[in-house]
Amino acid sequence: AQSVTQLGSHVSVSEGALVLLRCNYSSSVPPYLFWYVQYPNQGLQLLLKYTTGATLVKGINGFEAEFKKSETSFHLTKPSAHMSDAAEYFCAVSPNSGYALNFGKGTSLLVTP
Amino acid sequence: KAGVTQTPRYLIKTRGQQVTLSCSPISGHRSVSWYQQTPGQGLQFLFEYFSETQRNKGNFPGRFSGRQFSNSRSEMNVSTLELGDSALYLCASSEQTIGGELFFGEGSRLTVL
Repeated sequence: AQSVTQLGSHVSVSEGALVLLRCNYSSSVPPYLFWYVQYPNQGLQLLLKYTTGATLVKGINGFEAEFKKSETSFHLTKPSAHMSDAAEYFCAVSPNSGYALNFGKGTSLLVTP
Repeated sequence: KAGVTQTPRYLIKTRGQQVTLSCSPISGHRSVSWYQQTPGQGLQFLFEYFSETQRNKGNFPGRFSGRQFSNSRSEMNVSTLELGDSALYLCASSEQTIGGELFFGEGSRLTVL
């Protein structure tokens, strides 16, 4: 079964600092990988996804992630944090058929002034 | 296009009762999936429907069931409610069969007393 592990349930950064949210996956086959963001009292919104091709994926709101097969990682980064980035972030993995996404436990990002 | 609509948004039930939640996907989307979100377990996949057929099912007891109608609208039902069923139930739709973006609704928050 495919799964993801998000290191750090809470991450705090200063406004303007680098954001790094870690995600490692376990999969016996090349997976599809996703990052979603959830703001309070809202559903999830796709930030970016990796399916095939380029391993550096750019998403919305200045976020990007790099698929590293040798490290089984898909870490999310943003060069400069904004206050509006404060939210819950979820990494997810999917087999290459259907939508049975397996989500990580989530990382709550706090951005301080 | 209107987004994914879930009804009701909030509901309170007592143990032993049953509940039906509704999801209207984005127009043209034929895939609908359901997730349960709780603070302890995070986001867990319930089931996914495509063109009225259940294509994937998560590891939930038989008390959890769902269906999809010819217009792609979906319902999920939980019978004999338990306290542990209290959660945010999220519905997501997609127009693609593999690797596409999931569009989430805002969820139905169920409280079981």
